[in-house]
Amino acid sequence: GESVGLHLPTLSVQEGDNSIINCAYSNSASDYFIWYKQESGKGPQFIIDIRSNMDKRQGQRVTVLLNKTVKHLSLQIAATQPGDSAVYFCAENSRANNLFFGTGTRLTVIP
Amino acid sequence: DAGITQSPRHKVTETGTPVTLRCHQTENHRYMYWYRQDPGHGLRLIHYSYGVKDTDKGEVSDGYSVSRSKTEDFLLTLESATSSQTSVYFCAISESGAGGYEQYFGPGTRLTVT
Repeated sequence: GESVGLHLPTLSVQEGDNSIINCAYSNSASDYFIWYKQESGKGPQFIIDIRSNMDKRQGQRVTVLLNKTVKHLSLQIAATQPGDSAVYFCAENSRANNLFFGTGTRLTVIP
Repeated sequence: DAGITQSPRHKVTETGTPVTLRCHQTENHRYMYWYRQDPGHGLRLIHYSYGVKDTDKGEVSDGYSVSRSKTEDFLLTLESATSSQTSVYFCAISESGAGGYEQYFGPGTRLTVT
């Protein structure tokens, strides 16, 4: 079946360092992927997306990498700040053309 | 936040009582979704709507019904609440289906069924 999971449930980084959050997916037919950030007590917030015809996409301080060969997605955050502390989810469009979410990684930034 | 409100934000109810959660959007987006979020499960789709009066089931639809009589409102009803429905419920909207369009989420409703 489909699975969108994360290699590490928690990640702690020093302020100013780069963060890498990983995600594995199993549906090779998925062609659209999204990263969301969720702060405590709030709804998920869209960060960046990527389509399967791309390997890399950059935003402001964030980069998403897609490796379709091994069905792996990663989110890189440059110069991590305390405000980046949150839970990060990846999601893929499922066979039903809806989003299927992973369980999330909690990022903690150490000042 | 992308013009999405949810009401109520918090609710405590007893087992067996009916509960209706409301999602309201001001973006005129065609698609609306209801998710539940539980520890260890991430976000799971309950129901979604692709237009007024057009709805379909998600992966965890048992025990829930929805209605959409206006573009801006999407209601989620628990006909007879159970303790397993204690969760945080999120509404989301999207311009189009998930084949390439991001979803924007509301602030959530925390529901406790005692």
